Amino acid sequence: GAVVSQHPSRVICKSGTSVKIECRSLDFQATTMFWYRQFPKQSLMLMATSNEGSKATYEQGVEKDKFLINHASLTLSTLTVTSAHPEDSSFYICSARPTGVSLLTGEKLLFGSGTQLSVL
Amino acid sequence: GENVEQHPSTLSVQEGDSAVIKCTYSDSASNYFPWYKQELGKGPQLIIDIRSNVGEKKDQRIAVTLNKTAKHFSLHITETQPEDSAVYFCAASKRSTGFQKLVFGTGTRLLVSP
Repeated sequence: GAVVSQHPSRVICKSGTSVKIECRSLDFQATTMFWYRQFPKQSLMLMATSNEGSKATYEQGVEKDKFLINHASLTLSTLTVTSAHPEDSSFYICSARPTGVSLLTGEKLLFGSGTQLSVL
Repeated sequence: GENVEQHPSTLSVQEGDSAVIKCTYSDSASNYFPWYKQELGKGPQLIIDIRSNVGEKKDQRIAVTLNKTAKHFSLHITETQPEDSAVYFCAASKRSTGFQKLVFGTGTRLLVSP
């Protein structure tokens, strides 16, 4: 069935390095994917909307040069945290919905399993 | 923009009891309200949802009610089991965003004790 696969599940990196997180749609295509950020014991906050073949749309307050998003195919979106710092440590989650299917017909927004980023 | 408030932040019940989590929203244009269950270290999983043209929806032990006039909706879990322990999030979205932009509540940590 349709699944959103996210990798890696956990990454630890040194301050100043860049980290790439992958989000793949399995058994369906997604022209749009979404990236969320979640701090411990807090809610999910939408960071950006990833659009296949075009630039991502960032939410207010999210630095686009800091969080690079690439959606090069209908099944893959990547989030790169550039020059990571300890304050970037967080749980990052992607989501997607099958292309061309209306929510009213019952298809739901699917979430990946998340990536825990720890920046030392 | 939309603002979703959720209460309580934590909820402890005994196995077999019922649990109720409540959410309020601010944007009267919102018309889709999903509920997600998130276990530790995992992404959210949709457990039930409701659209604004429906007042109540039930799926086995889980039910959701919606009061459009008051702009609030609730999750009801009956006969709770220890495996129901998790963090539950409500969310709201609307047609103008293609129902894809979800605004989440602050979450409720549910603990079901055996």
